[in-house]
Amino acid sequence: EAAVTQSPRSKVAVTGGKVTLSCHQTNNHDYMYWYRQDTGHGLRLIHYSYVADSTEKGDIPDGYKASRPSQENFSLILELASLSQTAVYFCASTTGTGSAETLYFGSGTRLTVL
Amino acid sequence: KTQVEQSPQSLVVRQGENCVLQCNYSVTPDNHLRWFKQDTGKGLVSLTVLVDQKDKTSNGRYSATLDKDAKHSTLHITATLLDDTATYICVVGDRGSALGRLHFGAGTQLIVIP
Repeated sequence: EAAVTQSPRSKVAVTGGKVTLSCHQTNNHDYMYWYRQDTGHGLRLIHYSYVADSTEKGDIPDGYKASRPSQENFSLILELASLSQTAVYFCASTTGTGSAETLYFGSGTRLTVL
Repeated sequence: KTQVEQSPQSLVVRQGENCVLQCNYSVTPDNHLRWFKQDTGKGLVSLTVLVDQKDKTSNGRYSATLDKDAKHSTLHITATLLDDTATYICVVGDRGSALGRLHFGAGTQLIVIP
């Protein structure tokens, strides 16, 4: 069974602080994604990666950095956390070989910035 | 502008009843459409992927249709169970590869009562 593990499950951060969200997959997938989910809205893509040591900007990258040090690990970094970044963050992975390929999601990290 | 609209926003049904969830979209091109189930506080779990111009899929008590001419999809849940209580999310992919963008709806919250 494919698995995507996110840590921490929840996090409270102070405005201006640095936050790192981690994602680990054991699926041997090339593609990994970071999304944020806000109440009443669809998920939005922040950053993604299709190979280790390389990341790409998604639709809402401002205020976020990403790091893909290995195929298995993909981190999302908030250098200066702001109130507007309070949300639930999801990591996902897929093989990327076609449209019918299953997309696997982690359980999410609930981030609260105070 | 929201490109994937789901209706109803929320729905309450009694256990054993059938229900239909709607998804209308304006995404172009529309390579494929996915339905996900999201339990409260959990990640998204894939239910089905529809690819063809007029497509139908079936996965146990879940069945789905897609009409690309109408840019419309439905998710049918037959003989609902309490465990079907969740948010159901419609997602439209604009390309056949993982580099394409996924456009997420805000979801339909389904509550199944005894």
